Amino acid sequence: NAGVTQTPKFQVLKTGQSMTLQCAQDMNHNSMYWYRQDPGMGLRLIYYSASEGTTDKGEVPNGYNVSRLNKREFSLRLESAAPSQTSVYFCASMNTGELFFGEGSRLTVL
Amino acid sequence: AQSVTQPDIHITVSEGASLELRCNYSYGATPYLFWYVQSPGQGLQLLLKYFSGDTLVQGIKGFEAEFKRSQSSFNLRKPSVHWSDAAEYFCAVHSGGGADGLTFGKGTHLIIQP
Repeated sequence: NAGVTQTPKFQVLKTGQSMTLQCAQDMNHNSMYWYRQDPGMGLRLIYYSASEGTTDKGEVPNGYNVSRLNKREFSLRLESAAPSQTSVYFCASMNTGELFFGEGSRLTVL
Repeated sequence: AQSVTQPDIHITVSEGASLELRCNYSYGATPYLFWYVQSPGQGLQLLLKYFSGDTLVQGIKGFEAEFKRSQSSFNLRKPSVHWSDAAEYFCAVHSGGGADGLTFGKGTHLIIQP
């Protein structure tokens, strides 16, 4: 049982480049989430998807887009990366209020 | 809007000593409360959760937490820490009804002295 799987684990981008972070869960959960973690800031919600076909903004959505491809997959896209988006990104799914996290994707934007 | 405050950014404890990490939340009703732990370079692992009922909850790795409604607190405790407990600890709150995710505190970094 893999749980929540994120790819890639590490990525270096140049300012203005685009990329997509992929996330998949095999627990049949309806809700999925993207958080970013920055030193001293805890985890902040970027976007979430309550169910297949729906997405909503979280606390820090600017500069990001998401796609809920199906019940399993929820991707996060940076269209034009900026140094302020250097962070560790976590995907999670939820069951009865509890979040299950992936191992994170460390993104550096130069 | 709900919020979580973890007043201590860093805490240093000697191995074998007791531990208490503080967490205060702001939410109008009774929330769902969580403590997560993050080891360096790892994802977050659930230590324990409170939804309702007994206000003292037991978790994994010997941790417990007590929900005190009058103080809006959910402090994490362990009677005797081990070097392997060195990590980042996050308190989180959920409104309990929706799918809008958890709100996290900024974390407490636990350092264990030999």
